[in-house]
Amino acid sequence: EPEVTQTPSHQVTQMGQEVILRCVPISNHLYFYWYRQILGQKVEFLVSFYNNEISEKSEIFDDQFSVERPDGSNFTLKIRSTKLEDSAMYFCASSALYPGTDNQPQHFGDGTRLSIL
Amino acid sequence: RKEVEQDPGPFNVPEGATVAFNCTYSNSASQSFFWYRQDCRKEPKLLMSVYSSGNEDGRFTAQLNRASQYISLLIRDSKLSDSATYLCVVEDNDMRFGAGTRLTVKP
Repeated sequence: EPEVTQTPSHQVTQMGQEVILRCVPISNHLYFYWYRQILGQKVEFLVSFYNNEISEKSEIFDDQFSVERPDGSNFTLKIRSTKLEDSAMYFCASSALYPGTDNQPQHFGDGTRLSIL
Repeated sequence: RKEVEQDPGPFNVPEGATVAFNCTYSNSASQSFFWYRQDCRKEPKLLMSVYSSGNEDGRFTAQLNRASQYISLLIRDSKLSDSATYLCVVEDNDMRFGAGTRLTVKP
C-alpha cells in the first residue's frame, strides 16, 4: 500500500537555527498538508498546499514557516529561527481529492519529531 | 468554543466490553467526518469514514447526526489491541482534530 514518508524521523536543532522537514506524499495525490502535535496535545492543522500554492493556513503558520514543493515528489516545511515552543511532532499528510470531498481521507506520514534545544 | 470536542476519557474497559465514544463539532458546514486512531507517539491512522447513513466495519460502528452535529464510534467485543487514542476528525477546507479519547482495554 502506498504511504507518505517523512525524513528525518528525529531532528534536534539549536534554538534560532533553521530546520527543513521533508515529506514524500503518495504519488498520485494532489493535496498536501502539514500538522503538528505538541507532546500530550491534539493534532493541529498548519497548512494545506495544492497546485504549487498554499490553499489554507492556520494562525499557527506565521512568517516563521514556509512550505515548498521543490520537485515532483518532495514537499517540505521550513521553520526559520526556531523557538523552544516549536518542539513537537510534525506530520505530513496527502489526499487525492479536495478536502471535504466525498469522505476522502488524508493519509499521514510517520512524523518527524523536532526537538529544539 | 472548541471546534471539535471529545470526551478525553480515559476509558478503561475489560476485554470483550462494548465502548462508545462521542464527538461534537461546531461548524455546521463541515462535509466529511472520520475516526482516526493514534497509538502513543505514532501518526494518526484512519479507522473509518463516517457517513450520514451510519456505517459499520467489523466490530466498529460509526454514526453521524448532522442536525445535532454529533458523531459517535461504537467498538464491540473490544480487544487488547484496540488500546489507543481515538480521534474525531471533521473536515471542511481543512481537517480539525478533536483532542482524542484514550481507550485502554485490559485483560
